[in-house]
Amino acid sequence: DAGVIQSPRHEVTEMGQEVTLRCKPISGHDYLFWYRQTMMRGLELLIYFNNNVPIDDSGMPEDRFSAKMPNASFSTLKIQPSEPRDSAVYFCASSSEKDRSYYGYTFGSGTRLTVV
Amino acid sequence: AQSVTQPDIHITVSEGASLELRCNYSYGATPYLFWYVQSPGQGLQLLLKYFSGDTLVQGIKGFEAEFKRSQSSFNLRKPSVHWSDAAEYFCAPYTGGFKTIFGAGTRLFVKA
Repeated sequence: DAGVIQSPRHEVTEMGQEVTLRCKPISGHDYLFWYRQTMMRGLELLIYFNNNVPIDDSGMPEDRFSAKMPNASFSTLKIQPSEPRDSAVYFCASSSEKDRSYYGYTFGSGTRLTVV
Repeated sequence: AQSVTQPDIHITVSEGASLELRCNYSYGATPYLFWYVQSPGQGLQLLLKYFSGDTLVQGIKGFEAEFKRSQSSFNLRKPSVHWSDAAEYFCAPYTGGFKTIFGAGTRLFVKA
């Protein structure tokens, strides 16, 4: 398996523009997580899905952020409009509950977003 | 409130020296415990995990961690550090609801 795949690796955009981050989880994993990492706040859970259904989006900072998972192999995180304070590294991770004792995550390499 | 503390923001050790990274958690019950490593420009990689049983667990890359219930700690150790171990290390207790909480991280620097 190629692991969790995120695109793009780097994104530079102007304030006010729409940004879409993409994630392909590991095949067979039924949980998908979006995290944001900044120096000031560390790793923050934004939202997670189970079987393509959003379960908890309490970490989404505001209405400018939205996430979808149209099928088991694809998820997007959208920011519209983007602001400089959204600059961060965004990680996608996936996990499986098939082995109920295993709750470790597999992370993608992240998307570094810079909003200027 | 549930929390996890990694007291050391950064640590510098010489190559070949031993390493211990500290992690303390505050939860009502014993959580599942994880350590992750993040190399520069990369995502986090699972190093090891503790669920129950033997309190000393082995992980990848020669790392081990010991769970001490009385101290609410889960410290990460390695007998001999290699230059390639330079990275950031995150302690991550899991208590349910699939909401793993990550510590602030400890950045490891390795001197030649």
